[in-house]
Amino acid sequence: NAGVTQTPKFRVLKTGQSMTLLCAQDMNHEYMYWYRQDPGMGLRLIHYSVGEGTTAKGEVPDGYNVSRLKKQNFLLGLESAAPSQTSVYFCASSSAGGGYTFGSGTRLTVV
Amino acid sequence: GEDVEQSLFLSVREGDSSVINCTYTDSSSTYLYWYKQEPGAGLQLLTYIFSNMDMKQDQRLTVLLNKKDKHLSLRIADTQTGDSAIYFCAESLSGGYNKLIFGAGTRLAVHP
Repeated sequence: NAGVTQTPKFRVLKTGQSMTLLCAQDMNHEYMYWYRQDPGMGLRLIHYSVGEGTTAKGEVPDGYNVSRLKKQNFLLGLESAAPSQTSVYFCASSSAGGGYTFGSGTRLTVV
Repeated sequence: GEDVEQSLFLSVREGDSSVINCTYTDSSSTYLYWYKQEPGAGLQLLTYIFSNMDMKQDQRLTVLLNKKDKHLSLRIADTQTGDSAIYFCAESLSGGYNKLIFGAGTRLAVHP
């Protein structure tokens, strides 16, 4: 039982490049979330999804897009990476009303 | 607005008790959570408390909830070096999509 798996674990991008971060969960959770973690700022919600085919904006959505084509997967896209998007990205999933299960994170550096 | 506040740093001696404090703003929170993050890892759920409880004990962990003051604390008894990590407090908000609001995290350093 893997829980929440994120790929890749590390990535370096040049400014303007695009990439997709993949999150997969095997717990049949309805809800999935993407956060970014920056020093001294805790976790900030980027986008979330309450079910297959649905997505919604969180607190810091600009510069990111998401898709939830399958219940178990939640993709985070950066269309044109900027240095301000250098961060550690965490995916999480939950059932309705339950605590979150987090992935191990993707460390992204934009140069 | 919605906000969760924690002190940023705590240093304790190995074997002592650690107490990490948290204040939150939403009185309608249904659950309050403590997560632990070790270096280079994701957040791991440590424990949680339902909002109608005052205390919950789980082995070396004791959670105290003061709903009147909107204050939550996590006590770790007999703190070990393996407890060194960042601890996040989070409140769940009623309604909507199971939204959790996280504090900025308290870095616990355990020294001999």
